[in-house]
Amino acid sequence: EIVMTQSPATLSVSPGERATLSCRASQSVTTNLAWYQQKPGQAPRLLIYGASTRATGIPARFSGSGSGTEFTLTISSLQSEDFAVYYCQQYNNWPRAFGQGTKVEIK
Amino acid sequence: EVQLVESGGGLVQPGGSLRLSCVASGFTFSDYWMSWVRQAPGKGLEWVANIKQDGSEKYYVDSVKGRFTISRDNAKKSLYLQMNSLRAEDTALYYCARGGYYPDPWGQGTLVTVSS
Repeated sequence: EIVMTQSPATLSVSPGERATLSCRASQSVTTNLAWYQQKPGQAPRLLIYGASTRATGIPARFSGSGSGTEFTLTISSLQSEDFAVYYCQQYNNWPRAFGQGTKVEIK
Repeated sequence: EVQLVESGGGLVQPGGSLRLSCVASGFTFSDYWMSWVRQAPGKGLEWVANIKQDGSEKYYVDSVKGRFTISRDNAKKSLYLQMNSLRAEDTALYYCARGGYYPDPWGQGTLVTVSS
């Protein structure tokens, strides 16, 4: 079973600044990696799949990179609506697995 | 518009059973893998189970194997999760989601509380 580890647990960022979130897999998942955003009281929303492909309607300020075991989600200039919890998820193996999440909060 | 609406959650005693349902609309249900994902109160996301389009393949997280069964009825555009031998640690909001790789979209969830 693949274990996904995200860092940091909490990221404090000022609006307009860049945020960089990390995700590590316990073994290679090639580029079978997705990112989700979850706001309080809402269901998760798909942001990125294939490690770097933005889902439909996702703004260009969100970008993903990486392959193998190391991945990064970058939010180039944080907007107020981007403060949320972000999860990575591998879909290379069964069972699928999520990271524990990174909370992006206002500094 | 794609919609997924879950139902069937509630309060159940440890050792009890519940059956969750998810009704889909706005897309061809039989074309997609489907997933159940759960989220314990204040915690992160946990993948629970997946089922292939025709029901021929099913996968479960280890913690629910032998207790939970995922199934579907393509004619009714419905996904199910039969949960038996429920434990306190199964308490969570259960989401239905379209797809078995990177699910999208998700329903709003149905809350399952296991407590005496």
